Amino acid sequence: QQQVKQSPQSLIVQKGGISIINCAYENTAFDYFPWYQQFPGKGPALLIAIRPDVSEKKEGRFTISFNKSAKQFSLHIMDSQPGDSATYFCAASRMRGAQKLVFGQGTRLTINP
Amino acid sequence: GAVVSQHPSWVICKSGTSVKIECRSLDFQATTMFWYRQFPKQSLMLMATSNEGSKATYEQGVEKDKFLINHASLTLSTLTVTSAHPEDSSFYICSATGVETQYFGPGTRLLVL
Repeated sequence: QQQVKQSPQSLIVQKGGISIINCAYENTAFDYFPWYQQFPGKGPALLIAIRPDVSEKKEGRFTISFNKSAKQFSLHIMDSQPGDSATYFCAASRMRGAQKLVFGQGTRLTINP
Repeated sequence: GAVVSQHPSWVICKSGTSVKIECRSLDFQATTMFWYRQFPKQSLMLMATSNEGSKATYEQGVEKDKFLINHASLTLSTLTVTSAHPEDSSFYICSATGVETQYFGPGTRLLVL
């Protein structure tokens, strides 16, 4: 019940295209859903996060869509660029900040020029 | 703001020696810090939760006597890998809790020969 399932495991998108990564969770007590971007040899960096009281949040080219009834959320990267090539992790926790994050398995995104 | 540093960024040591990794929140105070371990092409695995002034809480399967955690101040937590062995070679990442979310350090690459 603590798992967060992420798909796909890897994704190749052409420059300018839309990258879509999906996550599903089981624990309905989760109420904070961040996405992290990680480059090789670096720590994860927070990209964007959402709480279940909204269905969508957009920041620049990054959008989170949230479906509370289906217990799913996804990351959309519009106008994908080669610099977006990285590993993306979704996560969930019961509360912001001091609570443990449960991470998805990660998606290795490659943007072809 | 919300910068977390780790030191060292990489370390090579001989089998049987101990290695200390520092995690600092540079511009904010963090009552809670987390330590993660990440193997190549895998997700982050939470090792322990570190609370300032109290004993760390370890995840199931993590040896507390092998991975010593000290959180002596609101800006510093340390992870000591005692009697390191080649199987301890990994990427160790800390995070510090801010108001909104966890902020991750850049990671420490440990190689045990």
